[in-house]
Amino acid sequence: GNSVTQMEGPVTLSEEAFLTINCTYTATGYPSLFWYVQYPGEGLQLLLKATKADDKGSNKGFEATYRKETTSFHLEKGSVQVSDSAVYFCALSDRGGSNYKLTFGKGTLLTVNP
Amino acid sequence: GAVVSQHPSWVICKSGTSVKIECRSLDFQATTMFWYRQFPKQSLMLMATSNEGSKATYEQGVEKDKFLINHASLTLSTLTVTSAHPEDSSFYICSARDLGEGITYEQYFGPGTRLTVT
Repeated sequence: GNSVTQMEGPVTLSEEAFLTINCTYTATGYPSLFWYVQYPGEGLQLLLKATKADDKGSNKGFEATYRKETTSFHLEKGSVQVSDSAVYFCALSDRGGSNYKLTFGKGTLLTVNP
Repeated sequence: GAVVSQHPSWVICKSGTSVKIECRSLDFQATTMFWYRQFPKQSLMLMATSNEGSKATYEQGVEKDKFLINHASLTLSTLTVTSAHPEDSSFYICSARDLGEGITYEQYFGPGTRLTVT
């Protein structure tokens, strides 16, 4: 079956530090890959996505590249801000089913201190 | 655009009673809605997939008679937790796929409902 493994947190950084959250996956076929963010007290929001190998998703300074050879989709940001404090979820969508179900990693709590 | 709401945002109920949670797509039509359960400091667990006008498809290990799902319209799905027990206490989240986006893998998530069973 499909699975997503992401770096366990919590991760605590100072403002303007470099962020990497590792994510690897196991899937049959060619899944689409996502990063979702959950701010305190809110629902999940799509942060970025990539639908095929070597695609780079980017948004709000965050980037992730779909690496088929290493089955990875690591999230990076060059300079984090306090407002980036949230839980980040890596996920994949199985294209094989018409409903495109999402499989999530366990989430990584990021805290950015001023 | 692409806003999904849930009601209520939190609910406390007594053991043995039933609770209904609503999930609405506010500005788009959703043929497919998903219900998730999230335990503290853990990931989202897909409970069921709900398609408008048909029976929901439940994931393995999820009791369909306990978690009743109805998707009566393109903008509303409901989850009813029947005969709730303390172990059903959790954060329930719904998501929806936009009918108009064709082949898309994106789901739009509601803010979640915190259920506490006493």
